[in-house]
Amino acid sequence: GAGVSQSPRYKVAKRGQDVALRCDPISGHVSLFWYQQALGQGPEFLTYFQNEAQLDKSGLPSDRFFAERPEGSVSTLKIQRTQQEDSAVYLCASSVGWGTSQETQYFGPGTRLLVL
Amino acid sequence: TQLLEQSPQFLSIQEGENLTVYCNSSSVFSSLQWYRQEPGEGPVLLVTVVTGGEVKKLKRLTFQFGDARKDSSLHITAAQPGDTGLYLCAGARRGSTLGRLYFGRGTQLTVWP
Repeated sequence: GAGVSQSPRYKVAKRGQDVALRCDPISGHVSLFWYQQALGQGPEFLTYFQNEAQLDKSGLPSDRFFAERPEGSVSTLKIQRTQQEDSAVYLCASSVGWGTSQETQYFGPGTRLLVL
Repeated sequence: TQLLEQSPQFLSIQEGENLTVYCNSSSVFSSLQWYRQEPGEGPVLLVTVVTGGEVKKLKRLTFQFGDARKDSSLHITAAQPGDTGLYLCAGARRGSTLGRLYFGRGTQLTVWP
């Protein structure tokens, strides 16, 4: 399909392991967002890319979290030295333009991360 | 503390009943969106409202944006089992990163046949 895809869909990690989560946005979409959704909560903003430029990373919870989008398409969210509190669903969303407040964000299915 | 407070958190009703979900904040939003999320999937946009006092209808769903752009409501008439899901409101604020959305905790709706 032509939607946003994410991989892996599920990830189990031992505490202290590094993980990498991948997002394939809709082709040609300029803006890409990462959100974290803890159990029973709404999504919370992590970071925002406009093409390859990371314009806002204020939502990243700690310096263990790192995101990149080197060629302005695929994005990777990396979490180093995972902790149990990192367990959540990580959602990626893309939008066609420069991320205006009225643009539709298309969400992927998310990666469910469980840290044991 | 969530910027957007949704109520109720859980709603369990019989098919054919009407319901209203509320989304409130002390902050002003430039736009407000409603999403529906199914288990194991990402949120899917239902509607965007941008003007204070705006009312939008989508079949049996009616969305309203408060005059002061601080609150919104979602009303469903004659609910059906297919309406079951997590309903999320999300707002975009002036001065924040363009497109950055602030989500409420969601309302888990279950409609029983």
